[in-house]
Amino acid sequence: EIVMTQSPATLSVSPGERATLSCRASQSVSSNLAWYEHKPGQAPRLLIYAASARATDIPAKFSASGSGTEFTLTISSLQSEDFTVYYCQQYNSWPYTFGQGTKLDIK
Amino acid sequence: QVHLVESGGGVVQSGRSLRLSCSASGFTFSIYPMHWVRQAPGKGPEWVALISLDGSEKNYADSVRGRFTISRDNSKNTVYLQMSSLRLEDTAVYYCARDSASGYIQYLFDYWGQGTPVTVSS
Repeated sequence: EIVMTQSPATLSVSPGERATLSCRASQSVSSNLAWYEHKPGQAPRLLIYAASARATDIPAKFSASGSGTEFTLTISSLQSEDFTVYYCQQYNSWPYTFGQGTKLDIK
Repeated sequence: QVHLVESGGGVVQSGRSLRLSCSASGFTFSIYPMHWVRQAPGKGPEWVALISLDGSEKNYADSVRGRFTISRDNSKNTVYLQMSSLRLEDTAVYYCARDSASGYIQYLFDYWGQGTPVTVSS
């Protein structure tokens, strides 16, 4: 099973600044990596697929990069609604696994 | 727009059964594979089960295989998860999710419901 490790577990950033979240796979997942945003009580939302492609209606403030085992999600010009939890997920090989999440906090 | 609504969650004793439902709207349900994903308290999400667009292919996480059964009724735009022999570790919020790939299976989830909580008690 591919283990997805996200860091840091909690990231404190000031509104208006940029946040950089990391996701590491225990073995290569090629570019089959997705990022999701999950606000409490809401449905999770797909942000990024294929490691760097924005999903439908996702604003350009969300960008991502990486391949193989190292991936990054960058969120620029942070606003209040961005302070929530983000998960990465690999869909390269079964079982298709998620990271434990990074909680983005207001500094 | 795409809308997924789960129902059927609740508190159930260990060893008992429960059936979850997910009602879909806003898209052509019959051409998309569907999944169930769960999230236990304090943990990341865990993929649970998949059903292909016509129900001919099903797949399960090892943790639920033999105890959970996924099914769908394309005439009702609904996917189900029958959970049997429930264990304490099955306690989680259960989400249904649409596979992003119509016509084939990618295990990439482009739309999710808000989830239904399941608590297994001793």
